[in-house]
Amino acid sequence: DAKTTQPPSMDCAEGRAANLPCNHSTISGNEYVYWYRQIHSQGPQYIIHGLKNNETNEMASLIITEDRKSSTLILPHATLRDTAVYYCIAGYSTLTFGKGTMLLVSP
Amino acid sequence: NAGVMQNPRHLVRRRGQEARLRCSPMKGHSHVYWYRQLPEEGLKFMVYLQKENIIDESGMPKERFSAEFPKEGPSILRIQQVVRGDSAAYFCASSPFGTSDRRAFFGQGTRLTVV
Repeated sequence: DAKTTQPPSMDCAEGRAANLPCNHSTISGNEYVYWYRQIHSQGPQYIIHGLKNNETNEMASLIITEDRKSSTLILPHATLRDTAVYYCIAGYSTLTFGKGTMLLVSP
Repeated sequence: NAGVMQNPRHLVRRRGQEARLRCSPMKGHSHVYWYRQLPEEGLKFMVYLQKENIIDESGMPKERFSAEFPKEGPSILRIQQVVRGDSAAYFCASSPFGTSDRRAFFGQGTRLTVV
């Protein structure tokens, strides 16, 4: 799996968009970009994944740069329940978790 | 469609005993992953299995730990002669990898406490 780099923490006001960056400059051609989050000590929750194209689902949007060396997860209207550790993973079949970004959504 | 089921949710073992953790994947998923999370630390990959095969065990400790995913029944993570340092949350994930769906879904984990 390619190594990923994320900021250790970010803050976001409730109702605003949260934009979480991730660098994966060594990603190889067949590796996907995955985003998961872990709320408190629960099991990680799948958010979204993509290969080359931008993706959107009911939870979030994923923007991948054209050279695929970085990506951004966008939570369009953050709520207090979105407070969690967010993990960006670049891989094919084995998911290797890094330290992630602790997102704190405040009222 | 039930999610990934792990049991027990909490397990207490004395040093030297065996711990057996079970993971029932989602229906139709033939790929299972095990992860360990020590207190205040991140998720560490342990092993990746398909039915009756170990695909990647690069994260498994060399001794006392083993995993299996038989043709029938749940995946089992077995820890022999547990020590205090094995106390952690163990998470299982399943996926239908091999199809167009590459999502992996996690269970709620088993919290192992070694006393």
